[in-house]
Amino acid sequence: GAVVSQHPSWVICKSGTSVKIECRSLDFQATTMFWYRQFPKQSLMLMATSNEGSKATYEQGVEKDKFLINHASLTLSTLTVTSAHPEDSSFYICSARTPGKQYFGPGTRLTVT
Amino acid sequence: GNSVTQMEGPVTLSEEAFLTINCTYTATGYPSLFWYVQYPGEGLQLLLKATKADDKGSNKGFEATYRKETTSFHLEKGSVQVSDSAVYFCALFSGGTSYGKLTFGQGTILTVHP
Repeated sequence: GAVVSQHPSWVICKSGTSVKIECRSLDFQATTMFWYRQFPKQSLMLMATSNEGSKATYEQGVEKDKFLINHASLTLSTLTVTSAHPEDSSFYICSARTPGKQYFGPGTRLTVT
Repeated sequence: GNSVTQMEGPVTLSEEAFLTINCTYTATGYPSLFWYVQYPGEGLQLLLKATKADDKGSNKGFEATYRKETTSFHLEKGSVQVSDSAVYFCALFSGGTSYGKLTFGQGTILTVHP
């Protein structure tokens, strides 16, 4: 089946630094990619939607200047958490959509110290 | 707005027990409904889906029926296995194929003991 990869799978960074998470669709071209955030024992919360070559659409309450999303190609999207703070520590999940189907990456655990 | 409510977990069962995880939703229009499963260390996988009222989705012994009158999509399995231990998410999709979004429930942790 279709595979979506994320890199890194986990990352620890210091407060104030930036960290980039990559999401790739390995065997298909994704018309749309999504970034979710998952808190412990809570649901996935959609952060933003991105289409290749255009600006991401952010959900209400998500700071676009803090969570930079780039969708450079039909197989790659990146999420950069800028000036990270401990409250940004979370599990970030990307998802890639083809017409009629949506596939999820394994997630990236971010810990900000 | 759209919302999905799942029964709170965790749910702990013995092998071969019957499983029900309740899911109700609030949505405008006619959403599609899904159950996703997340095994430890892995991404979400689609378990089953139903696209219209009275449809029954089924996969790997799991079933769920789209009940519009009760706005529900409860997940059931007649005999669970240890390998079914995972987190289960109910979700709805609305908004069309181009701009639609998935809305997830909070997830239910299932642990099955031998």
